[in-house]
Amino acid sequence: QLQLQESGPGLVTPSETLSLTCTVSGDSIRSGRSYWGWIRQPPGKGLEWIGSIYYSGVTYYNPSLKSRVTISMDTSKNHFSLEVTSVTAADAAVYYCARDPPGTTGTTHDYYNMDVWGKGTTVTVSS
Amino acid sequence: DIQMTQSPSSLSASVGDRVTITCRASQNINNYLNWYQQKPGKAPKVLIYAASSLQSGVPSRFSGSGSGTDFTLTISSLQPEDFATYYCQQSYSAFRSFGGGTKVEIK
Repeated sequence: QLQLQESGPGLVTPSETLSLTCTVSGDSIRSGRSYWGWIRQPPGKGLEWIGSIYYSGVTYYNPSLKSRVTISMDTSKNHFSLEVTSVTAADAAVYYCARDPPGTTGTTHDYYNMDVWGKGTTVTVSS
Repeated sequence: DIQMTQSPSSLSASVGDRVTITCRASQNINNYLNWYQQKPGKAPKVLIYAASSLQSGVPSRFSGSGSGTDFTLTISSLQPEDFATYYCQQSYSAFRSFGGGTKVEIK
């Protein structure tokens, strides 16, 4: 059974770097042409897609965060990671990781949806 | 990047009501549109993919429709467990994006 688990510090100092890891069990992050994504949710607000890494290692980032975000993968540990630099209070949120695999074939490309999510980890930004 | 706009942002309804939520994309996304349900303190769960296909295990009272830029999620008969927040999300572009969410509350 596929499971994703986020881990990392729950408290980050303003202007420092937020680092989180998503450990995947039950599937290989290099198989199945999946994207592996990071999504966050500030308190009381909606979901914000941060970025994704394709199984091949290609990355895609939300344009509004691109200058501060890096997503990487470690196939030997079967996990992928998120770094957000120069954090402020606006980066405080629940951070989720999710698998985004291809499903049926569509007219131009496969249909993808985020079918398995981690439970989320809360990050607070404070000195 | 593709912007997703949902309406309404919240609604109040009673058990048994028919509920409709709309989602509009800023450009043509064909039918590369997913719907998620999120309950407080929990991760989102996919309900509908490819605009109208029901995810395995999801009750048939949920349905989706639309293509191009305009989409709809319908709950045919609202049940107590359906009170939650619903999000649309496009998968047309590798640069994913979500709608702002619609909170369905008890009237």
